[in-house]
Amino acid sequence: QVQLVQSGAEVKKPGASVKVSCKASGYIFSDYYMHWVRQAPGQGLEWMGWINPISGGTDYAQKFQDRVTMTGDTSIKTVHMELSRLTSDDTAVYYCARAGTTEIIPPVFDYWGQGTLVTVSS
Amino acid sequence: DIVMTQSPDSLAVSLGQRATINCKSSQSILYSSNNKNYLAWYQQKPRQPPKLLIYWASTRESGVPDRFSGRGSGTDFTLTISSLQAEDVAVYYCQQYYNTPYSFGQGTKLEIK
Repeated sequence: QVQLVQSGAEVKKPGASVKVSCKASGYIFSDYYMHWVRQAPGQGLEWMGWINPISGGTDYAQKFQDRVTMTGDTSIKTVHMELSRLTSDDTAVYYCARAGTTEIIPPVFDYWGQGTLVTVSS
Repeated sequence: DIVMTQSPDSLAVSLGQRATINCKSSQSILYSSNNKNYLAWYQQKPRQPPKLLIYWASTRESGVPDRFSGRGSGTDFTLTISSLQAEDVAVYYCQQYYNTPYSFGQGTKLEIK
């Protein structure tokens, strides 16, 4: 069965960086991009960007362009999302979610990780 | 960037009754070359990740009960739950995947009246 398993909760100080991992299993890794979506406490969903884990190609939301780096390791079917220069506004649950890229495997988020809570506090 | 706006923000419906949630995009998300609307609906229950319900505006994801349906085209879309069940209490989000940055509506909280 398809699973996306994320790394555990993190507590960081303002100005620090955080790296969240997402390990995929149960499907053909190369058939899907991996996206990152975050959700601040009590708030809605915010798309951060995607990575093609095979080519390493990325597309980031402009808001995060200069602070986010998404990488992949195909040998262990894992992707990472690193966010730098953290502020309290970055306190949120961060989700990875897979999406296809074609009409046959549409670019929608059909499987999600369990979420990783990142707390930024001094 | 495409802005997605849902209405209402919250909704209370009696068990067994119909619930309708609206979603409007700031520009058309109908791709003319394939006549598909790049619109998805998700359900999120507390302390859980979102769950995909509907994509291409009206295609139900495998395993989703048929009381959930989506319709609309261009810029105006609706999610309907034909007969509300207790387990449908959740926040519902629409999302466009027409282009990046992908964007979500602000969410509609559905409760039992």
